[in-house]
Amino acid sequence: NAGVMQNPRHLVRRRGQEARLRCSPMKGHSHVYWYRQLPEEGLKFMVYLQKENIIDESGMPKERFSAEFPKEGPSILRIQQVVRGDSAAYFCASSPSGGNNSPLHFGNGTRLTVT
Amino acid sequence: EDKVVQSPLSLVVHEGDTVTLNCSYEVTNFRSLLWYKQEKKAPTFLFMLTSSGIEKKSGRLSSILDKKELFSILNITATQTGDSAIYLCAVLHQAGTALIFGKGTTLSVSS
Repeated sequence: NAGVMQNPRHLVRRRGQEARLRCSPMKGHSHVYWYRQLPEEGLKFMVYLQKENIIDESGMPKERFSAEFPKEGPSILRIQQVVRGDSAAYFCASSPSGGNNSPLHFGNGTRLTVT
Repeated sequence: EDKVVQSPLSLVVHEGDTVTLNCSYEVTNFRSLLWYKQEKKAPTFLFMLTSSGIEKKSGRLSSILDKKELFSILNITATQTGDSAIYLCAVLHQAGTALIFGKGTTLSVSS
């Protein structure tokens, strides 16, 4: 049973470009979470999605960031017009039941570097 | 504001030592507390604690929660170099939509 799959593992973008990060949850998991980890900081919640629905986006910056989890295919975290401060590791996690009774399972992350 | 504080931030021990990692929290409508181990990549799940005073054990690792004093500890006995990692503590609200993470404790075990 494959775990949470994220790609790419590493992504380099110049300032002003767009970054697209993909996450395929574990088989049977329909709840996806995105977290960002800055150096020397803990994981910070960004957004929680179920299929075709954004449930909680309270941790998402209001501008340039968006997320989706379509009926078919992976969840996508999209960052438009990237700036240096967006450089971080972005982790996706999934759970079968919203995390209330089962722990989140994390992917290996995408390390975004903005030059 | 909800927060999770871990201590110490870093720790260096010798193989065979026993370590205790601390996690205190201030969260409205607490539901559960989780411990994760993060090596170079994905955080991997260790324990989920919801009830006070009940120790959870997995091999050399154990953890317990005190909901009255709002903290948890993670114990590792007979440490090995493979235990070197960042240990993350996280708390879940009753609403259950987001884990709030502490900054982690970086453990280094030398041989």
